[in-house]
Order: sequence, then structure tokens, then C-alpha cells
Amino acid sequence: EAGVAQSPRYKIIEKRQSVAFWCNPISGHATLYWYQQILGQGPKLLIQFQNNGVVDDSQLPKDRFSAERLKGVDSTLKIQPAKLEDSAVYLCASNNKGVDTQYFGPGTRLTVL
Amino acid sequence: DQQVKQNSPSLSVQEGRISILNCDYTNSMFDYFLWYKKYPAEGPTFLISISSIKDKNEDGRFTVFLNKSAKHLSLHIVPSQPGDSAVYFCAASPQGGSEKLVFGKGTKLTVNP
Repeated sequence: EAGVAQSPRYKIIEKRQSVAFWCNPISGHATLYWYQQILGQGPKLLIQFQNNGVVDDSQLPKDRFSAERLKGVDSTLKIQPAKLEDSAVYLCASNNKGVDTQYFGPGTRLTVL
Repeated sequence: DQQVKQNSPSLSVQEGRISILNCDYTNSMFDYFLWYKKYPAEGPTFLISISSIKDKNEDGRFTVFLNKSAKHLSLHIVPSQPGDSAVYFCAASPQGGSEKLVFGKGTKLTVNP
């Protein structure tokens, strides 16, 4: 069974530029999560999708971050414009409701200069 | 406010000995707890979990203990192996499953041969 796929793996941008990350969850998983992990911290949930609907985006900085999951499968997370403090690893995870764990992708390491 | 706390940033043990990683939480609504292991440049992988109705769960070399009155859980690894060297994250959920996970900052375990 293929795991959660993410791309790109690394991205370096200047502040005020835009960036997008892509995630393809495990086949059949209805729930998809985006996390931000700043160096030295644990992952922090940004947004949770159930199929193509948003379940929780309470910690998403909506003035600059957006995410979509149009067909209920893969998802994109966008930052526009980026700030220095957005430097982090962005993790995507997926599972099905009632399953006892989330499965994480390898993450995208973003560096904002 | 940090709802899940891992107060030891690092731990070093000898191969074959016991590793004990600790985690404290403050939110009484948490009722499901998980441990994830993370290697460099990879996403977190699920290790073991425990529901608040139990005080112990065992899976091979890994055992998680939960003390609800103290709001404390610990992960025991016996015997420790060099391949166990990784960052271990404690996570908690208020919903009886693995949604809405709140992570600690992690403990870096080094197992010396």
C-alpha cells in the first residue's frame, strides 16, 4: 500500500513570495490533515478535511494560508505572501474516521529567506 | 499554552537497557493518547496508543502507561536498540480517536551501542 505522498520535499523562497505544497493521501482515506512543524516543536494542526469539506481550520492563518481538496482526494496548501516565521516542515496526514492513527507523509521543508 | 508537555528534550541510554520517555498533559478532556516516532527527513510514524479507560498497553518491546490522576503517561522501551534512536512525540486527542491531535515538543532518544 502506497503511503502519503508530498511534493516538493524542499522549497526555498524569499519573503513575500508565494508557495504551494501538494499532498496525495493513502487511497481511500477520507480524512486529510495539514500540520506545521516549526523546528524544536511538535506538529501543529492547520486544517482538517473530511472528503472535500473543511472540518477544522481554527488554527489556519487565513490571511495568508489557504488549502483546498476539491475532489476529495489530493490537496494543496498555499501560502501567499510568505513570512520568515513560516519556515517550517509542512506535514500531510490521512486516515479514515474511527481508525486509531494518522498516517503521515515525509513533509515539505520550507525555508523563507 | 502547552497542553501536552515533554519536558526532556533528549535522552541517552545504552543498548539493551530500558528507555523511559515521559509526557504530561493539562487538558482533562483528552481521552486518547498516542506515541509517534520520527526519523530525520521522514514523517512521524505511529508507535502505540492508549485509551483513557486503560492504564497500560503493551506491544512487543513498547509499553505505554497512563496515570490519569497525575495526567501523566510514559513510554517504556525494553530492551532499547540502536534503531530506536529517533525523536518521540507524545500526542493527545479529546475525541476518543486520532482526530484533533495535540502534540508535545518531542524527546530525542539516542541508544548507544
